[in-house]
Amino acid sequence: AQSVAQPEDQVNVAEGNPLTVKCTYSVSGNPYLFWYVQYPNRGLQFLLKYITGDNLVKGSYGFEAEFNKSQTSFHLKKPSALVSDSALYFCAVRDSGGYNKLIFGAGTRLAVHP
Amino acid sequence: GAVVSQHPSWVICKSGTSVKIECRSLDFQATTMFWYRQFPKQSLMLMATSNEGSKATYEQGVEKDKFLINHASLTLSTLTVTSAHPEDSSFYICSARYSLALETQYFGPGTRLLVL
Repeated sequence: AQSVAQPEDQVNVAEGNPLTVKCTYSVSGNPYLFWYVQYPNRGLQFLLKYITGDNLVKGSYGFEAEFNKSQTSFHLKKPSALVSDSALYFCAVRDSGGYNKLIFGAGTRLAVHP
Repeated sequence: GAVVSQHPSWVICKSGTSVKIECRSLDFQATTMFWYRQFPKQSLMLMATSNEGSKATYEQGVEKDKFLINHASLTLSTLTVTSAHPEDSSFYICSARYSLALETQYFGPGTRLLVL
């Protein structure tokens, strides 16, 4: 069965510092991986996805993610964090079953301090 | 582009009543829509997958008679919580996808349901 793990419940970063939010996956076949962000009392916003191609994927709001097949990881990164980046981040993998539904990780809360 | 709306954004109802939540794709046609439920500080739990013109596919443990889903057009899916009880109080989020070939799901802003 497909699954994703986000090992950190919370990540704390000082504004201006680089940030990393970790995600590892377990899939059969080629992984289709996604990152979404959720602000309080809001739905999820799509940040980026990896389907195929370059291992470094660039997305919205200056975020990028690196696909690492050998480590089965898809960590989200940003070179310089903003206080406004503080939110809940979800990693997801496409399920290979019918309708290609998404399987979400537990989420990681990012807190960027001034 | 790829905007999904939900209505209402929040609703309070009495126990035993039914509540309908609408999910609309505003600028694209969605062959598939998904309904999720999210408890405080938890991840999203997929409830069902809705395809236009066909019956919804429910996840294991989700009561189809309790959570009625209708996907009557390529831009509208509805979730009706029937005979709501306090334990149904939650944040309900829908998402929509252009087609099976295009992987990205676009999410609505969510509907907060409080059953008294």
